Order: sequence, then structure tokens, then C-alpha cells
Amino acid sequence: QVHLVESGGGLVKPGGSLRLSCEASGFSFSDNYMTWFRQAPGKGLEWVSYISGSGSYTNYADSVKGRFTISRDNAENSLSLQMDSLRAEDTATYYCARRPRTSVIDWYFDLWGRGTLVTVSS
Amino acid sequence: EIVMTQSPGTLSVSPGERATLSCRASQGITSNLAWYQQKPGQAPSLLIYGASTRATGIPARFSGSGSGTEFTLTISSLQSEDFAVYYCQQYNKWPLTFGGGTKLEIK
Repeated sequence: QVHLVESGGGLVKPGGSLRLSCEASGFSFSDNYMTWFRQAPGKGLEWVSYISGSGSYTNYADSVKGRFTISRDNAENSLSLQMDSLRAEDTATYYCARRPRTSVIDWYFDLWGRGTLVTVSS
Repeated sequence: EIVMTQSPGTLSVSPGERATLSCRASQGITSNLAWYQQKPGQAPSLLIYGASTRATGIPARFSGSGSGTEFTLTISSLQSEDFAVYYCQQYNKWPLTFGGGTKLEIK
């Protein structure tokens, strides 16, 4: 079955770090760009970061640039998001999502995980 | 950044009736728009991309239209499983941005 499962969320103090993981199954993981999104409580969706299938290309939202690092392990079908210097405004549910492999120039997402909640609070 | 504005914020419709959801972009995005459905506690799921192309497995009662700055998602005959929050997303320009969502509730 094709799905994505996030883990690693939790409560962390401001300035702390957390590493999120996203385990993929049921598809050829290395064929797809993967992306992290987040959704603050009661708010809309926000793009956070993406990584190419090979891991060679990455990009970040300005709000997390220099603090978050996206990576992937294609042998383990795993995507990660290392989050450092966390702030209260990073509190959100974090989702990983797949960009279709057939999508050459378009950036929509056909498979999402259920998310993992990150709470940054003292 | 392109701002996406969805209206209304909440839409109350009876099962079997038609629902029309709107999404407006702050600048032209051609047809680079997707629609997602999200139910409580669940992941978002792709409904429409390219403004009007249904994703795999999406029923024909869902249709998308529009280009430029004005877009519409229409659900022709609401089923009980369609009551959810709907988001539009533009992918014409980075950063990718989403609308604030329309909550479709049972009247």
C-alpha cells in the first residue's frame, strides 16, 4: 500500500532541536521529489522545504532557511527534517508530501502523510 | 509572494445539492492551481491540478475551472463524505502558497 508516515514530533523548548522523519512505502521513493509542509493550529498550509529524488537539490522557505535541513535516505525510503533554533512560531503539524514523478514542471502533491505535531513552548 | 484568498470561509450546503468554492490569486497564475480536501485528523488529499484536471480516483462530481486569478471548485451533488475543508494551492511562482481554506459543512 502506498503511504507516508511521519514521526518525531513532540514538545521542545524555544531554541531547541527536533528531527522529523517520514517513512515511505509502496512506491519507488527515489523517483520523487519530496516536500515538507506545516500547518499551525487553526491556520492554513505552509510550504517548508523540498528535496530532489537524488537529494542533490533542496530549497527552503525564508521562514526556516538556515535553521532547518532536509535530507533523505533512498536506501531506507526515508525523508528527514532537522529543525534547529526552534521558535514558538514553528509550532505546527508537519506533513511530508510526494510530488508525482510524472510532474516535470508542476508542483502539486499527490500523496501526503497524516502529520506529526511539533510544539515549541517553554 | 502570491496571496491566495478563498471564499467563503464556511459554506453550509445540504447533501445532494451543489457546492461552489472560490479561490482568488493576488496575481495571475495561469492554470497552475491545485485543490485539496482535508478531513479532521487526516492528511490532505489531491483533488484537482492544472486548475481543471481531476486526480486519479477522484469522482466526476468534483470539477475545477478558471485561469489567471479566479478559480472555482464545484461539487455537483454533495455526498456525506465530501464535508471537509478544501484548500487551493498555486504553483506558478515560488514560494508555493495556499489559500486559508473553505470549510464545507452540512446544512
